[in-house]
Amino acid sequence: AQTVTQSQPEMSVQEAETVTLSCTYDTSESDYYLFWYKQPPSRQMILVIRQEAYKQQNATENRFSVNFQKAAKSFSLKISDSQLGDAAMYFCAYRLIQGAQKLVFGQGTRLTINP
Amino acid sequence: NAGVTQTPKFQVLKTGQSMTLQCAQDMNHNSMYWYRQDPGMGLRLIYYSASEGTTDKGEVPNGYNVSRLNKREFSLRLESAAPSQTSVYFCASSEQASGRSAQYFGPGTRLTVL
Repeated sequence: AQTVTQSQPEMSVQEAETVTLSCTYDTSESDYYLFWYKQPPSRQMILVIRQEAYKQQNATENRFSVNFQKAAKSFSLKISDSQLGDAAMYFCAYRLIQGAQKLVFGQGTRLTINP
Repeated sequence: NAGVTQTPKFQVLKTGQSMTLQCAQDMNHNSMYWYRQDPGMGLRLIYYSASEGTTDKGEVPNGYNVSRLNKREFSLRLESAAPSQTSVYFCASSEQASGRSAQYFGPGTRLTVL
């Protein structure tokens, strides 16, 4: 069974600084996708970034980028120039390309931005 | 374009009562999903519908039923609510059932069962 682990229950960073959130996963599959979702106090789940496992190049979306290490089964999220609006729970998630449709989520990391 | 909408936003039930959570999407997506989120945990899949006319069990289906009413709508029913079903429920949709399609989530329904 696939599992996703986020070992940092809480993180904090100063506004305008850079922070990295960690995620590791366990799978025997070779083709899959990885996602980072953000959940602000409004509770809505918002897609931040996604990475295809077959791509070596790390995905980037504006201030958000990932460090994908397939051999190590690691998928960390880097937020540059942190803003107050980045404060939220962040969830790492895994999904197979074929077959089972579900997203497997980690436990989440609560990110606080200090002004 | 409202995306994924859910009703109600909040609900309190007594043990044994029934209710249906409604979900609709206006993005012409083929696949729809129901998740629950318990405190301190990530989301867990209850049921999903890969396409109109099909439904399948997810990780935690016991105590729930679903109906894919049409392409837009996917409802979740609790026939006899139990306190263990106190949770926040999220509906999501994706363009295709394949892994590349990102899932887009509704705002959630906070359900309390007394």
